[in-house]
Amino acid sequence: EVQLVESGGGLVQPGRSLRLSCVASGFTFGDCSMHWVRQAPGKGLEWVSGITWNSGTIGYAGSVKGRFIVSRDNAKNSLYLQMNSLRPEDTAFYYCTKDRGRENEGIDHWGQGTLVTVSS
Amino acid sequence: DIQMTQSPSSLSASVGDRVTITCRASQSISNWLAWFQQKAGKVPKLLIDKASSLQSGVPSRFSGSRSGTEFTLTISSLQPDDFATYYCQQYNSYPWTFGQGTKVEIK
Repeated sequence: EVQLVESGGGLVQPGRSLRLSCVASGFTFGDCSMHWVRQAPGKGLEWVSGITWNSGTIGYAGSVKGRFIVSRDNAKNSLYLQMNSLRPEDTAFYYCTKDRGRENEGIDHWGQGTLVTVSS
Repeated sequence: DIQMTQSPSSLSASVGDRVTITCRASQSISNWLAWFQQKAGKVPKLLIDKASSLQSGVPSRFSGSRSGTEFTLTISSLQPDDFATYYCQQYNSYPWTFGQGTKVEIK
């Protein structure tokens, strides 16, 4: 069974940083692209960032480009999101999601999410 | 960036109704489109990918189609379990983008 467990969320002040982690199990992590998707409370879904199986291709939404950095450690079955210069509008549930393949073939599984609240 | 325009934003329907949700891409995305269902307080669930490929375990009353850059999710006979919010999402190219969502409510 695919499991994606996010951690690292919490309350942070504007301008500060936070690092999210996602530990994967139940599939061959190194064979899949991975993505972060977020959802502000009561709002729609927003794709945040994606990274292919070997970190060869990385992408970001315009709203986070230059502030967020995605990375992965295939030896640890882990995905990360370093979030810098956080803004109140970054407040959301952040979901770790699994791609069905190596090269961005679409999301097929979601984690339960971790809540990030940016507020003074 | 590719914009996904989803309509309607909400609809009210009765059990047994045929429901259609549309998503239009701002440029060609081939068939690289997925539909997700999200129930209140739950994580989104993949229903359809590659525009029309129904995921294992998803009821056959759900179907997806494509005409050019317009994509449609159809529920042939709405069931009580189908009341939820539905999102389209393109994965043709980064940055991936979602539609605004369609909330399907009980009439």
